Amino acid sequence: EDKVVQSPLSLVVHEGDTVTLNCSYEVTNFRSLLWYKQEKKAPTFLFMLTSSGIEKKSGRLSSILDKKELFSILNITATQTGDSAVYLCAVRGSSNTGKLIFGQGTTLQVKP
Amino acid sequence: NAGVTQTPKFRVLKTGQSMTLLCAQDMNHEYMYWYRQDPGMGLRLIHYSVGEGTTAKGEVPDGYNVSRLKKQNFLLGLESAAPSQTSVYFCASSYLVRGPPYSNQPQHFGDGTRLSIL
Repeated sequence: EDKVVQSPLSLVVHEGDTVTLNCSYEVTNFRSLLWYKQEKKAPTFLFMLTSSGIEKKSGRLSSILDKKELFSILNITATQTGDSAVYLCAVRGSSNTGKLIFGQGTTLQVKP
Repeated sequence: NAGVTQTPKFRVLKTGQSMTLLCAQDMNHEYMYWYRQDPGMGLRLIHYSVGEGTTAKGEVPDGYNVSRLKKQNFLLGLESAAPSQTSVYFCASSYLVRGPPYSNQPQHFGDGTRLSIL
């Protein structure tokens, strides 16, 4: 059965800290791994990773994929209160339907 | 562009009532999805559609039906609502790049419908 597990489930840090969120997966014929940020409403897209070892970066956020060990990490440096959100990891398997399997999410709270 | 729009935003139902949630997208996407989100469980796929007139079951389809009569709309129906269907429902859409590497693009989400069933 395809599965995505995120850790930790919740995290509290102070502004300026660096955080690392983890995502491990088991999926048939892996195609891609996606990270989303969810504040009050709709999840918003952050990164899509398909190849091992290539870091994707956007400002203070970065992510990397390890297809051999079946995991990905999302790093946030110099955290700000606006980074407080639920971070969702999802993987896409072999079908062309585009279906995603989501992890439980990591709730990040950044305190001033 | 409005993106993905869901209506209604909130609804309270009594057990046994029926209702339809509407999802509309203006991005000409072929693929559309309905998820539910419950505390501690992430997003779970209910039904999805890979094109107008086609639908398929996802991970948790029981108690729900869907229709995709027009490309831009995807409807989720609850025929006889149950308290276990209290949840936040999200609709999403995406498209397939029709050329190498033929990859599915990221899904775009609506703002959700909060549904309570008493």
